[in-house]
Amino acid sequence: DQQVKQNSPSLSVQEGRISILNCDYTNSMFDYFLWYKKYPAEGPTFLISISSIKDKNEDGRFTVFLNKSAKHLSLHIVPSQPGDSAVYFCAASARGGTSYGKLTFGQGTILTVHP
Amino acid sequence: GAGVSQSPSNKVTEKGKDVELRCDPISGHTALYWYRQSLGQGLEFLIYFQGNSAPDKSGLPSDRFSAERTGGSVSTLTIQRTQQEDSAVYLCASSFLQGAPSYGYTFGSGTRLTVV
Repeated sequence: DQQVKQNSPSLSVQEGRISILNCDYTNSMFDYFLWYKKYPAEGPTFLISISSIKDKNEDGRFTVFLNKSAKHLSLHIVPSQPGDSAVYFCAASARGGTSYGKLTFGQGTILTVHP
Repeated sequence: GAGVSQSPSNKVTEKGKDVELRCDPISGHTALYWYRQSLGQGLEFLIYFQGNSAPDKSGLPSDRFSAERTGGSVSTLTIQRTQQEDSAVYLCASSFLQGAPSYGYTFGSGTRLTVV
């Protein structure tokens, strides 16, 4: 049962354009969402997060949008740069209960930004 | 150290052998997690240690997998009688469970396990 899904295995964009990475979830108990970026041979690194009490969080070129009714979130990167090329993982957490602290990850989306 | 350290970085083992993977978390982080990433797959949760509480082992795929965390710091993931399907990158992460504004984990670089 894949509770966090990233349905696009890959995305290719031109430098300077917007990259939009999508993520859907099924567990209505999830109330905190994060995006991680992973380069080859490195561990994932935290990028940006959003609490379910918000619908948008912005940090520089990165913005995460949350649509709770649709159980959907997206990561926007504007403008995209070649150095953004990496695998992006969406993750979700239910901060209450016994699973507090445990993140459920999606399958990842490979972003390639062409110069 | 400054980050999460995992060793070895690469391990090739013969099918049926036992392996131990080590994780040194960031000092002071109370929570420690093991995930694995198989080829073409996402990050699969394995086990989670939180302070002195009983670990959440719900992600361990079989009883060949076990993990311990000694003294609230270093953790070892042990895979007994390895199988080819155990081949994956095993990632360890640690975090402050509460208070960190990002609520994010810090991951190590992983151990790439290949079972031949």
